[in-house]
Amino acid sequence: EPEVTQTPSHQVTQMGQEVILRCVPISNHLYFYWYRQILGQKVEFLVSFYNNEISEKSEIFDDQFSVERPDGSNFTLKIRSTKLEDSAMYFCLHSKPNEKLFFGSGTQLSVL
Amino acid sequence: GENVEQHPSTLSVQEGDSAVIKCTYSDSASNYFPWYKQELGKGPQLIIDIRSNVGEKKDQRIAVTLNKTAKHFSLHITETQPEDSAVYFCAASHYPPILTFGQGTILTVHP
Repeated sequence: EPEVTQTPSHQVTQMGQEVILRCVPISNHLYFYWYRQILGQKVEFLVSFYNNEISEKSEIFDDQFSVERPDGSNFTLKIRSTKLEDSAMYFCLHSKPNEKLFFGSGTQLSVL
Repeated sequence: GENVEQHPSTLSVQEGDSAVIKCTYSDSASNYFPWYKQELGKGPQLIIDIRSNVGEKKDQRIAVTLNKTAKHFSLHITETQPEDSAVYFCAASHYPPILTFGQGTILTVHP
């Protein structure tokens, strides 16, 4: 199974601060997704990204969130002003077209 | 939208026994059903998946069954080993997927 690295593995931030989570994808994987897992809850879909554009997003993905692929390689999730309830494990998922989805290693975000 | 329910939330078995985890889904249009295993401190790993045109799929000690009429699917692990201990997640989606996950099952295999 191809591995996707996420950085940082852990991020601690103060409420109201901006955070950027990064995903280093496999080069020939074109579909990217961000999901999150709040402790004790289901893994939740945030956003999907294809061809440098958002293709779908959930209700969770409000104006505080943004995604981009600024340099054609890393895939980032930005949270502009973090809230306590943003504390979660964030996963980057990726796939080739019409193929299986694989999880990245995850970033544990703690908002204090 | 899709809703996936997973049971049980915890499962404890003796080494060598079988383990079964069940999921139900709500959207009859869902056609792709993967299972993921998450070990402590790691991201979930895809272990097996099934599409709606197949009723059963097996890979060594792991099998998945799908009942489209009843909208449920199950993971079966035979001859369990301590290294099978992990959290298991089911999911459902249209394909290509936006996955909707179940709540997860903590499986503990006692030596």
